[in-house]
Parts: sequence; C-alpha cells; structure tokens
Amino acid sequence: DTEVTQTPKHLVMGMTNKKSLKCEQHMGHRAMYWYKQKAKKPPELMFVYSYEKLSINESVPSRFSPECPNSSLLNLHLHALQPEDSALYLCASSQEGGGGSTDTQYFGPGTRLTVL
Amino acid sequence: KQEVTQIPAALSVPEGENLVLNCSFTDSAIYNLQWFRQDPGKGLTSLLLIQSSQREQTSGRLNASLDKSSGRSTLYIAASQPGDSATYLCAVRDGAQKLVFGQGTRLTINP
Repeated sequence: DTEVTQTPKHLVMGMTNKKSLKCEQHMGHRAMYWYKQKAKKPPELMFVYSYEKLSINESVPSRFSPECPNSSLLNLHLHALQPEDSALYLCASSQEGGGGSTDTQYFGPGTRLTVL
Repeated sequence: KQEVTQIPAALSVPEGENLVLNCSFTDSAIYNLQWFRQDPGKGLTSLLLIQSSQREQTSGRLNASLDKSSGRSTLYIAASQPGDSATYLCAVRDGAQKLVFGQGTRLTINP
C-alpha cells in the first residue's frame, strides 16, 4: 500500500475561521511533508516532520500551524487565513526520516482550500 | 540556491509518437532526481526516481536518464497515448529532505 490520504478534499473557509487539514499514511514512513501549490505552479515546501519532530519550517506564516500527533498522522491547523492562501495543499511522506538517495516521496491527492 | 528548469513548458504531439521532456538543474550536488506526473487538480504520482549514482531508470514505456555532471535529466516516453496527457514535474532532492521542483511540462497527446 503506497497510499497517502488527505481530508477533506475541498474546504471553503472565511478569514476568521479555524479549520484543520488531515493527512494519514500507513506505510511506516518516518518523514511527512506539507506543500502548497498555486494554480499552474509547482509545489512549494512548507514543513517537514522527521520522526514526529518538526525539522524544516520554510518561513511559513504562523497562521499555518502543523502538528504530528504520531508517525502516521499529520495535521495542518489553519487560522485567520487570507484569500491569497487559497491553493491546493499537498501532503507527502517518505521512508527515511534523514533523507537519502533512494528516498521516494509519495503524495496524497491534496485538499483544495478556498479562503473567502 | 538550486534552480530546476523544465523545457518545453508545453508540448502537444499526436498519439503514437515518442517524445522527450527535459529537466536541468544548477547544482550537481543532489541526492536523487524524481519525475512526477500530475493530472489537473490532483496530487502527484511518482513515476521514476534516479539515485545520484545512477544513469537511468526504466518503467514500462518510460525511461529517465540523469547526467549529474552536466545538470541534466530527460524523460523519454515511448509510443505516447492520450492517457499520458498530464503535467510532468521534475524534482531534485537537494539536501537531506527538500525537493526542489521545476515548473513542469504540460503534455497533450492528441488522438
């Protein structure tokens, strides 16, 4: 099973709302990632968790708050977002928490977020 | 800072043709290079991963090559089919855990 699942598929929220995105994998991977993708652009890395600890934060605004409750689950908590935060949010996972030449990233289907 | 460039940005070919997508990167110190496929509004599907010590990888009608010293990779698609229509993204693993993506090539296969 090489599946990464994400919920919800679509999310519409107002600028004052608080919502969360969820990502799950059952491949025993030790690294999990959040990416943001705007239309017709490549994905941009936001956060990396390695062995359930935050290892990379790409200077993401604090209105995005990641959480890794366990090795299979990754959340992204959203608060006071702006319309320009509307995008496809992709989660990925890979086997090796420390990276490596054979480490393939597997992506979920994404959550389409619209901020009104 | 690593930069990844994909040429062309868009490509339209008739069904059955063989085609080549190009990817170049500025820093040859990479762990690996991955080719992905993305259908509109969907997530990324990993097609091939080439380790930094490898020269090529094959999967079915796909063949990816890597020339690390010159900073280039190609994705060869044989006998293209309409179902191959998608955006193809090249990404290099630059450092322990970061993928740096190119802008993608939007491929259309015409029946």
